[in-house]
Amino acid sequence: QLQLQESGPGLVKPSETLSLTCSVSGGSISSSSYRWGWFRQSPGKGLEWIGNIHYSGSIYYNLSLEGRVTISLDTSKNQFSLKLSSVTAADTAVYYCARRKEVAGGWFEPWGQGTLVTVAS
Amino acid sequence: DIQLTQSPSFLSASVGDRVTITCRASQGISSHLAWYQEKPGKAPKLLIYAASTLQSGVPSRFSGSGSGTEFTLTISSLQPEDFATYYCLQLYTYPLTFGGGTKVEIK
Repeated sequence: QLQLQESGPGLVKPSETLSLTCSVSGGSISSSSYRWGWFRQSPGKGLEWIGNIHYSGSIYYNLSLEGRVTISLDTSKNQFSLKLSSVTAADTAVYYCARRKEVAGGWFEPWGQGTLVTVAS
Repeated sequence: DIQLTQSPSFLSASVGDRVTITCRASQGISSHLAWYQEKPGKAPKLLIYAASTLQSGVPSRFSGSGSGTEFTLTISSLQPEDFATYYCLQLYTYPLTFGGGTKVEIK
């Protein structure tokens, strides 16, 4: 059974870079059938897609994040990562990673449990 | 970007009620829509993908329909564990976008 687990600092200072890792167990991130994505949910708000990556190197980002996002894969560790630079309080959110199956339009499932990142000095 | 408008944003209902949530897309997205259930402190749970396909393990009281720009999620008989927030997600084109959510509360 595939499982995803986010990890990283729970507190980041303004203007610094938020870095999170999603560790994948029970399956390989090198599979051509899937993309691997990041989402977030700010307190009291809805869900937002951040971006996703395929092991081939194909990456899509949400341009609303204005070029601050980098997603990468580490196939040797079976994990993928998110970096968000120049963070502000508006980037405080629960961050989730998830796997996307691309059949019949696709879907994201499963998801990690989520990790709260607070941006504060 | 494709905008998804969910309605209602809030819904008060009783156990046993039939509940329908609508998701309208600002442009056609074929059937590339998924529905998620979210509960406090938990990750979103996939209910429906490809607009109408029930995810394995999800109770049959959940159903989805629609294509193009209008979609619905129906819960045929609301159960206590269904009180949650529901989101639609379009996977037709980037950027992927969510509806604003529908919070279903106990009447």
